[in-house]
Amino acid sequence: NAGVTQTPKFQVLKTGQSMTLQCAQDMNHEYMSWYRQDPGMGLRLIHYSVGAGITDQGEVPNGYNVSRSTTEDFPLRLLSAAPSQTSVYFCASSPRDWVYYNEQFFGPGTRLTVL
Amino acid sequence: GIQVEQSPPDLILQEGANSTLRCNFSDSVNNLQWFHQNPWGQLINLFYIPSGTKQNGRLSATTVATERYSLLYISSSQTTDSGVYFCAVETAGNNRKLIWGLGTSLAVNP
Repeated sequence: NAGVTQTPKFQVLKTGQSMTLQCAQDMNHEYMSWYRQDPGMGLRLIHYSVGAGITDQGEVPNGYNVSRSTTEDFPLRLLSAAPSQTSVYFCASSPRDWVYYNEQFFGPGTRLTVL
Repeated sequence: GIQVEQSPPDLILQEGANSTLRCNFSDSVNNLQWFHQNPWGQLINLFYIPSGTKQNGRLSATTVATERYSLLYISSSQTTDSGVYFCAVETAGNNRKLIWGLGTSLAVNP
């Protein structure tokens, strides 16, 4: 199993550009989520999904869109990049609700810089 | 909202030493988890421990929910223990929003 994969590893954008961060998992997990991590801080939940076709907002959803057309993939779209979105983005998946079970698997992260 | 405070913010150990990391939280919690982020950024679950004590090898954790704190013990530390340790909590009605502390940055020197 490859686990949770994220692409790209690094990305530089100009303000106003759009892009999609890719996340895929091959473990047949129902739950997937996107987090951002800013310097000196813990993770903040952006969006999450409890299964194909179902998504919901997390703590900091503004400026981001997600979709879940398959169990495996959970892309994160930045609609119009802003410098405030400079961060490291982590995707995670889990077989059960991660709030209640210590079973989250994290991807390696995408480091995004918006100029 | 709930506040999650971790201490100490930074810790330097000699290989083989023991350490205790603390997580205080300001309100009742349904769930508490500990995570380790290694120096290369990879995040790994350590414990799900809303109350009681759990052990996994050289690591153990205790949560005293009534006193609103959790402790992570690292015994016989190794250089591979280096990184940042986070605790994260979820409160009733918070709808899957784990609230993360700022972490304890641990460096274990050989």
